[in-house]
Amino acid sequence: GESVGLHLPTLSVQEGDNSIINCAYSNSASDYFIWYKQESGKGPQFIIDIRSNMDKRQGQRVTVLLNKTVKHLSLQIAATQPGDSAVYFCAENTGTSYGKLTFGQGTILTVHP
Amino acid sequence: GAVVSQHPSRVICKSGTSVKIECRSLDFQATTMFWYRQFPKQSLMLMATSNEGSKATYEQGVEKDKFLINHASLTLSTLTVTSAHPEDSSFYICSANRPELGNTIYFGEGSWLTVV
Repeated sequence: GESVGLHLPTLSVQEGDNSIINCAYSNSASDYFIWYKQESGKGPQFIIDIRSNMDKRQGQRVTVLLNKTVKHLSLQIAATQPGDSAVYFCAENTGTSYGKLTFGQGTILTVHP
Repeated sequence: GAVVSQHPSRVICKSGTSVKIECRSLDFQATTMFWYRQFPKQSLMLMATSNEGSKATYEQGVEKDKFLINHASLTLSTLTVTSAHPEDSSFYICSANRPELGNTIYFGEGSWLTVV
């Protein structure tokens, strides 16, 4: 079946650097995408979302870019901090109702002081 | 504070027994909730969609007789793992979306199940 996947399983950066986490999706019918942060032993924490009628959305220190032509999603974190260290998942909303998500494999982000 | 709450956060049970995990929406009504399973160092996999007042919809490969889902009220869905085996040990996470807030999706904090 169609799925969401990530290019890089791990990413190590220095504190203060910008981080970019990538995600490829294959379901061209998906119209809603979300980035989540998950810390060890906890549930996913919402970071930012984007709908398919947009190609960019900014939040506090985070930006999500959506390229529907190549079915690519990215999360940019500015001035990465040690507290940003976690696993990051992209997810796409599947089905006809909101909430039914297909998750990517995840990227482990490690921020070194 | 938490918008979707799960209980228990951790549970250990013996092989062959059943264990129930609760998922509650704390200050909103959720006609639909979702159950995911996450094995260590893996992603979340959708198990089933819990529908208030009707049968749950299970994803392909998920045994409905083993993972019983009951959504008896607008704020509570339960997942019962029946005849648990060690391979059922996993992190179980529920979510609910809130239509009045643009369908914002909220996740619970998850429940660790260990079957010994």
